[in-house]
Amino acid sequence: EVQLVESGGGLVKPGGSLRLSCAASGFTFSNAWMSWVRQAPGKGLEWVGRIKSKTDGGTTDYAAPVKGRFTISRDDSKNTLYLQMNSLKTEDTAVYYCTTVVPLLRYFDLWGRGTLVTVSS
Amino acid sequence: SYVLTQPPSVSVAPGKTARITCGGNNIGSKSVHWYQQKPGQAPVLVIYYDSDRPSGIPERFSGSNSGNTATLTISRVEAGDEADYYCQVWDSSSDPFYVFGTGTKVTVL
Repeated sequence: EVQLVESGGGLVKPGGSLRLSCAASGFTFSNAWMSWVRQAPGKGLEWVGRIKSKTDGGTTDYAAPVKGRFTISRDDSKNTLYLQMNSLKTEDTAVYYCTTVVPLLRYFDLWGRGTLVTVSS
Repeated sequence: SYVLTQPPSVSVAPGKTARITCGGNNIGSKSVHWYQQKPGQAPVLVIYYDSDRPSGIPERFSGSNSGNTATLTISRVEAGDEADYYCQVWDSSSDPFYVFGTGTKVTVL
């Protein structure tokens, strides 16, 4: 079965760190471009960042609100995507979704169920 | 950054047609994609590349894109279509690159 399963969410204090994981199965993860999209409570969808496949350079890009604080990485041997979040702010509170990205047309094909990150003192 | 504007809400009776607009500067020159999100669930892709449907998405869902407006049309609306709908484009000159619309809540009366 093709699926993405996020984990690692939880409650963290402002200024703290958290690492999210996304386990992929049912497709060739190493060939996939991957992304994180978040959704604050009661709000719309917001793109966080993307990592290309290693064959396409493995480069990352981030949205301005998280640039310099968040880092996306991948371990193709484990079929796992990561989101390292540092210097967390209350406005980072959201459900974080892991997604696949279709490279040519740049849309989000497969979504995980999401993991909730709450930043609060 | 590139901005996509959607109406906050659209109401439609069962069996009728719902049209959800997505406005953006010269959006007709970009590829537009649409997602459906039901309460408590992850988004699901319903239209990609303006008007193509992924496998498993009913033919009742269709899309168009021209000028400054893209439109998602849901024909013969069913109660199960009640959800939030988001448009999305990619713009290499924007920050962020991947832009979502503001979202539209579709209510089936």
